Amino acid sequence: SAVISQKPSRDICQRGTSLTIQCQVDSQVTMMFWYRQQPGQSLTLIATANQGSEATYESGFVIDKFPISRPNLTFSTLTVSNMSPEDSSIYLCSVWTSGDIDSTDTQYFGPGTRLTVL
Amino acid sequence: AQKITQTQPGMFVQEKEAVTLDCTYDTSDQSYGLFWYKQPSSGEMIFLIYQGSYDEQNATEGRYSLNFQKARKSANLVISASQLGDSAMYFCAMLGAPSGYSTLTFGKGTMLLVSP
Repeated sequence: SAVISQKPSRDICQRGTSLTIQCQVDSQVTMMFWYRQQPGQSLTLIATANQGSEATYESGFVIDKFPISRPNLTFSTLTVSNMSPEDSSIYLCSVWTSGDIDSTDTQYFGPGTRLTVL
Repeated sequence: AQKITQTQPGMFVQEKEAVTLDCTYDTSDQSYGLFWYKQPSSGEMIFLIYQGSYDEQNATEGRYSLNFQKARKSANLVISASQLGDSAMYFCAMLGAPSGYSTLTFGKGTMLLVSP
């Protein structure tokens, strides 16, 4: 399994500002993933972050709004730019790694960052 | 495209009883994996159990078991001997091969409430 930490755990921000969320993993991983979970909704993949290359964004998400950095194999940041109330969500990072069950690769998630935009 | 359907927005169960959370899926892939996650009110996503499409036996992990019926394309989660701490959102998710090995497709989730 993987131990994933995120900072901040929660924040309340003003409209028009930006917030950078950090994700740290206790082991080296090739890909890191950023998800958004809007209130009462399921998880939606924002982008996949590979070390040494540009992040790959899913439909509906753009780099100008959600710039991502991946400076090394254990760390990534997601910035939510020019925030509006519609950006209020839980943001989660995740990685694939060998699970404890039959060594099957499993996607583990960080504890999430709960963002409220006023 | 892959699709996960969880038809139960909410479920109630009494402590110590068993409960089944439904999950059906749609995929044209021959090889795929099915996952269940638990999300308590704190927001973290906790991995519970995994079932591979070629696994002949139903997956079990402690009080969690997966009732996998491949022909029906269903992968229901069974929680035995429910505990108050089981109250949470539960998400079913699927991993497929051609459509992207590294990402999961999630269902809308089921809110489970365990009463004393």
